Amino acid sequence: NAGVMQNPRHLVRRRGQEARLRCSPMKGHSHVYWYRQLPEEGLKFMVYLQKENIIDESGMPKERFSAEFPKEGPSILRIQQVVRGDSAAYFCASSRIGQGELLFGSGTQLSVL
Amino acid sequence: GDSVTQMEGPVTLSEEAFLTINCTYTATGYPSLFWYVQYPGEGLQLLLKATKADDKGSNKGFEATYRKETTSFHLEKGSVQVSDSAVYFCALSGDNQGGKLIFGQGTELSVKP
Repeated sequence: NAGVMQNPRHLVRRRGQEARLRCSPMKGHSHVYWYRQLPEEGLKFMVYLQKENIIDESGMPKERFSAEFPKEGPSILRIQQVVRGDSAAYFCASSRIGQGELLFGSGTQLSVL
Repeated sequence: GDSVTQMEGPVTLSEEAFLTINCTYTATGYPSLFWYVQYPGEGLQLLLKATKADDKGSNKGFEATYRKETTSFHLEKGSVQVSDSAVYFCALSGDNQGGKLIFGQGTELSVKP
């Protein structure tokens, strides 16, 4: 029971490239949440997904960012044409249905050069 | 919308000192309240939670009581250790939010020997 797995742990991209962050929820968890943590700031909600459905994307930037949670495989947070301001730690969390208690992964640190 | 406000850090204490980190919230209905801890370079770990008014959450010597009359959930520990040095986040999960957490900005705690 490995908990929430995120990879890669560190990701370096040049401006204009694409970044793909992966998250495998804890076994038995069907809800996935993505958060972004900017330096010296708290965690900001980005998106909440269930299998094959986006439930709440109120925190997602309108452009360049997308997320999916397919029927099979991990959830993916995709950032197209990255800019320096996208540099941050991105955390994934999962939960069972109806529970407010989230289990977090160790995060992906994205650095944009 | 729902929000969480924490006391600003950093908080620096000597070992065995008493700790209080203030947290207040704004929410409609009856949210669940949480404290998460983030050690350097790691993801967030649930420290304690309370789901209804007057509940007291406790873990590892930390306590927090859900006070609806003052909309507060202050974190306390009677005697801190160097190993408690971390960033502490207060969070709420509101009604009908699908488990989404709203975080405060975090409070960094540094405990000196």
